[in-house]
Amino acid sequence: RKEVEQDPGPFNVPEGATVAFNCTYSNSASQSFFWYRQDCRKEPKLLMSVYSSGNEDGRFTAQLNRASQYISLLIRDSKLSDSATYLCVVNDRGGSYIPTFGRGTSLIVHP
Amino acid sequence: DVKVTQSSRYLVKRTGEKVFLECVQDMDHENMFWYRQDPGLGLRLIYFSYDVKMKEKGDIPEGYSVSREKKERFSLILESASTNQTSMYLCASSRDNPSEDTQYFGPGTRLTVL
Repeated sequence: RKEVEQDPGPFNVPEGATVAFNCTYSNSASQSFFWYRQDCRKEPKLLMSVYSSGNEDGRFTAQLNRASQYISLLIRDSKLSDSATYLCVVNDRGGSYIPTFGRGTSLIVHP
Repeated sequence: DVKVTQSSRYLVKRTGEKVFLECVQDMDHENMFWYRQDPGLGLRLIYFSYDVKMKEKGDIPEGYSVSREKKERFSLILESASTNQTSMYLCASSRDNPSEDTQYFGPGTRLTVL
């Protein structure tokens, strides 16, 4: 069974802090990578895709390390509204693109 | 904007009942998925479909079946509901395209089986 592992947390940080999450995956042939955000009692929503060269979207930076088989998410200048669960997703190509979700990392940003 | 809708937000059924959960997407996506999400266990894939009338088992298909008669609609069926199927059920869709295979989720159906 292909595995995607995340530290469940919670990560408890003050506003303005920088916080980083890692996610490891077991299938070296994995094709594509994403971070999703899930608010309490809501559906997951795409936060950002993760590209081989790394990518940034405002305060969020995602990186992929294929050699060590992990992806990371860095959040700078944390806001109260960043409090959520962050899900790591890895897609493998079989007959179609099959996603494997990590169990999520909980982030709590406090005043 | 992609929209994925699910027929009910909350559902209460009795043990042994047949339950239908409906999911519709409006973006002509090839792939559709059904997950359940439970505390501490994350999202687990029940079934997926990559084309009309095609279906594949996910990680936990036991006790469930699916139907995809039209491209936009993917139904999850609990043939005889049991209390251990009480959960949040999430439907998702995606393109079958290596450069845009992001999943889009519906709002979820919280099913309680008494």
